[in-house]
Amino acid sequence: ILNVEQSPQSLHVQEGDSTNFTCSFPSSNFYALHWYRWETAKSPEALFVMTLNGDEKKKGRISATLNTKEGYSYLYIKGSQPEDSATYLCAFTPVRAGGTSYGKLTFGQGTILTVHP
Amino acid sequence: KAGVTQTPRYLIKTRGQQVTLSCSPISGHRSVSWYQQTPGQGLQFLFEYFSETQRNKGNFPGRFSGRQFSNSRSEMNVSTLELGDSALYLCASSPRTSPPAVLYNEQFFGPGTRLTVL
Repeated sequence: ILNVEQSPQSLHVQEGDSTNFTCSFPSSNFYALHWYRWETAKSPEALFVMTLNGDEKKKGRISATLNTKEGYSYLYIKGSQPEDSATYLCAFTPVRAGGTSYGKLTFGQGTILTVHP
Repeated sequence: KAGVTQTPRYLIKTRGQQVTLSCSPISGHRSVSWYQQTPGQGLQFLFEYFSETQRNKGNFPGRFSGRQFSNSRSEMNVSTLELGDSALYLCASSPRTSPPAVLYNEQFFGPGTRLTVL
């Protein structure tokens, strides 16, 4: 059974604050770690796909790091804005037996971020 | 490019009925995965189809089934609906070409179908 854990479950910050969330995943059989942003009434939007230990990705004010050896990833938001309010999900893809991995993402429960003006 | 589309967006059914949901992937994507989202369980993987074949399956009862057509469009069916099947059902398409090549399993989601079972 694969467990992907995210913390905190929810977060309230003021506009301009910087914040970060944690995603922990099994460190064995790692293939890829995904971050999604999911706004209410919209489709989950892919933020990053991370595959290599030490990976750092950045998209505007949002960045993420990856540690596959210890099984965690951090998502950072610098200078939060009200439009950043959403649920942030991480998802894990393991390597399947035979060396291939496809189709299935195992999601964490998500971190609900609310940014107050 | 048009995104992933799902129909219908909302559906109300009663216990014991069956339901069919539809998903049209992004043009050129050949893999379609289905997920169920409930408040208590989060997003749970149902199954994945590629080239009209089910390639991967989650831990759901046999009442949940799916298929994929030659144009990559996919349907999922739930028979003998139960109250606990009330959920948001999301499909996602992937630009996966052919096994075993995988583009890091990157998936693009549709807006979902909200199913309510009364």
